[in-house]
Amino acid sequence: GENVEQHPSTLSVQEGDSAVIKCTYSDSASNYFPWYKQELGKGPQLIIDIRSNVGEKKDQRIAVTLNKTAKHFSLHITETQPEDSAVYFCAASNNAGNMLTFGGGTRLMVKP
Amino acid sequence: DGGITQSPKYLFRKEGQNVTLSCEQNLNHDAMYWYRQDPGQGLRLIYYSQIVNDFQKGDIAEGYSVSREKKESFPLTVTSAQKNPTAFYLCASSILENSPLHFGNGTRLTVT
Repeated sequence: GENVEQHPSTLSVQEGDSAVIKCTYSDSASNYFPWYKQELGKGPQLIIDIRSNVGEKKDQRIAVTLNKTAKHFSLHITETQPEDSAVYFCAASNNAGNMLTFGGGTRLMVKP
Repeated sequence: DGGITQSPKYLFRKEGQNVTLSCEQNLNHDAMYWYRQDPGQGLRLIYYSQIVNDFQKGDIAEGYSVSREKKESFPLTVTSAQKNPTAFYLCASSILENSPLHFGNGTRLTVT
């Protein structure tokens, strides 16, 4: 089955700096890679996703890159703000009916 | 507003008792899921259902049971056979497989 590794487990940045979270996956058949943000006491919310037919996707301050050859994908947050502080999860799945497999999460702290 | 409602937010039970967690969605989604989240860990799939009256085991189904009698409802029962039931439980739904998940705000279950 799929295995998703996420690094780092915690990340502290100064407000205005960039943050990068990296994930690797094991199943070369995986083709859908979403990122979720979870605030304290709440459920995760989808912030961006990418499918394997593209290498990069941007949405304002957030971008995701995908390297299918190396089987890794990354979340980039630019100009970080205190409200970006949360736990971020990556995930992967394929079209063969497999469910999403999640990484272990990254706690991002943005210091004002 | 469309969304997923989980109730209650906090639940306390004595060891040996079964407990049922509620999950209702008004998004008209076909697929529904239950995940378990433990501190510092990713989300692990307990059960999922793609259509009414049908459901499949996820990675950690032992000690849990579900039903899907209505499209909008997917209750999870944590039985006394679950050896370590204290956790944060998240319900999610999606239009179909391999599409973005919409999560509820979770139920924190404490068993003593």
